[in-house]
Parts: sequence; structure tokens; C-alpha cells
Amino acid sequence: DQQVKQNSPSLSVQEGRISILNCDYTNSMFDYFLWYKKYPAEGPTFLISISSIKDKNEDGRFTVFLNKSAKHLSLHIVPSQPGDSAVYFCAASAQSGGSNYKLTFGKGTLLTVNP
Amino acid sequence: EPEVTQTPSHQVTQMGQEVILRCVPISNHLYFYWYRQILGQKVEFLVSFYNNEISEKSEIFDDQFSVERPDGSNFTLKIRSTKLEDSAMYFCASNRRLGEKLFFGSGTQLSVL
Repeated sequence: DQQVKQNSPSLSVQEGRISILNCDYTNSMFDYFLWYKKYPAEGPTFLISISSIKDKNEDGRFTVFLNKSAKHLSLHIVPSQPGDSAVYFCAASAQSGGSNYKLTFGKGTLLTVNP
Repeated sequence: EPEVTQTPSHQVTQMGQEVILRCVPISNHLYFYWYRQILGQKVEFLVSFYNNEISEKSEIFDDQFSVERPDGSNFTLKIRSTKLEDSAMYFCASNRRLGEKLFFGSGTQLSVL
């Protein structure tokens, strides 16, 4: 039951260019979305989040876009840096009217930024 | 920056044995969680814990699993009789308020032989 889908297992971009990571969800109860970054041998680290009342949230080089009608969100990293190379997880929760205790994760996308 | 710490980083056990995975959440956090990631699969929610009781659990969290906060700092996950399919990376997480971002530990890699 893949309620959160990241269809690209990997993505490779050149340093300085834009990285776009995509995520789709099926559960219409989800109203809060997060992106986590994970390096090998470490736990996931929070990157950026967005509530369903917004369609865009920006934090430095990272911007998350939410298209509720399409049940789609994306993470833009610009400019990409080699240190951004990691696995990126999309996650969602249903904070109102559902479960706000748990996050549902996608399978992750391995981003490689080449110097 | 405060962090969630987990011990051990690796645990190898025989099938049928009991294991206890340990976590020290961030000190002023009130909500505690266990997640796991089987190799090649997604990170999955196991259980959440607040005010000394389980607030939510997933289908994975059956009678073989239990959680405990034995003192003011530790949060443990016990698997009573491990199975091969319990082999995974287990992540502890915590947050101060519901709906806030989770802080994850670096995980315990459990290998059941």
C-alpha cells in the first residue's frame, strides 16, 4: 500500500544546476508534507515542510511546491551542491481528522550531485 | 545541537532471541517514536508513545513488540522473539509537540540470523 510514492529511485545532476525531486500521494487525508535527507549510516534529517494550506514554501536553496489537485509535491534544490548528495525521503501525515502521530514515507530518491 | 542517540549501532542476534534497542530522546521532547527500514524498502512507522502510553501503533507492531520508558531519559523497543524478517534498521525519533518535525537517531542495524 504505497500511499506516498517516489517514482524515481535515483537522480543525477551537475553541480550548480537545479535538482527536482518528485513525490505523489494517494491519501486525501494527508495535509502536512515533509522532506527528509538521509546520509549513509545516519538517521533522516528534516529538510523542509509544507502545510496543505500553502502551495509553496522556501528555505534558502530549498523550495517545496505542493499541487493538491494533482496530489503531487516536489522539492527543488538550486543551486545543487555535491554535499546535497544523499537519499531524499518525502513524508506525509494527516494532522487534522486523521493520525497526526505518524509519518508515511516514500521509498526515497538517491540524489547524486556531480562536481 | 541536541540529538537523539541510539545504542547499539549494530545488533546481531539469533532467531527466537529477545532484543532490546535503546534510545535517548532529546531531553525536552514529549513524543517518542520507533520507525524501521528494511533494506531497500521505505521507512515504516512502528509506534508512537506519549505520557507513558502507546498513542498509535502500526500493523507491524504486534504482540512480539513492546516499548517502555523505564526512566526519565531512556526509551526502549523490545522484540520478544526475533524473526528473520525483523532484520532492519530501527530508528528512534522524538518531537516536542505533536505535528512538529521529528528528530531521528542514527539508527540500530538489527540482524537476525
